[in-house]
Amino acid sequence: DIQMTQSPSTLSASVGDRVTITCRVSQSITSRMAWYQQKPGKAPKLLIYKASTLESGVPSRFSGSGSGTEFTLTISNLQPDDFATYYCQQLYIFGQGTKLEIK
Amino acid sequence: QVQLVQSGAEVKKPGASVKVSCKASGYTFSGYHIHWVRQAPGQGPEWMGWINPKTGDTMYSHKFQGRVTISIDMSVTTTYMEINSLTSDDTALYFCAREGMAARLRTEAFDIWGQGTLVIVSS
Repeated sequence: DIQMTQSPSTLSASVGDRVTITCRVSQSITSRMAWYQQKPGKAPKLLIYKASTLESGVPSRFSGSGSGTEFTLTISNLQPDDFATYYCQQLYIFGQGTKLEIK
Repeated sequence: QVQLVQSGAEVKKPGASVKVSCKASGYTFSGYHIHWVRQAPGQGPEWMGWINPKTGDTMYSHKFQGRVTISIDMSVTTTYMEINSLTSDDTALYFCAREGMAARLRTEAFDIWGQGTLVIVSS
């Protein structure tokens, strides 16, 4: 079975900062990685699919990269609305989540 | 607009079953897989299974195989997820989600989500 490790679990940052979240997978999944943003009590919102394709309507300050076993989500110029929890996903498996908090 | 609308919250006793519905609208229902995902309080999402509306084929997580049934009623563009033998560990928010398509290929990402159905299992 594929194992997924997402880091960090918590991230403190300020408005305007650039942050990076990483997911490592135990075996190659080529570019089959997605990233989501979730706020409390709400469904996850798709940000990125196929590792680097921005979902329609998602601001360009969100970007994804990587292939094989290591993937990153980068958020540039953090905005107040970006403080939330982020998950990586390879179809049947979700990462443990990264809570992005205001410093 | 494209949306998935789920049934309301449920409270069940241990050992009971629950069936949650997910009605799709605004798109060609047969063209997209529907997945079910649950999220226990304070935990991350957990994938449960999917159904292909065009063929009726299903696939389940090993964890839920034999205890979860995903079904479909094409006449009302609705997917159902039933889980049996409930325990307190099944207390969670249950979501249906559509898997996206791009260039006629599955994206392996969930682009439309239902609002979630809270299932509470308590004696």
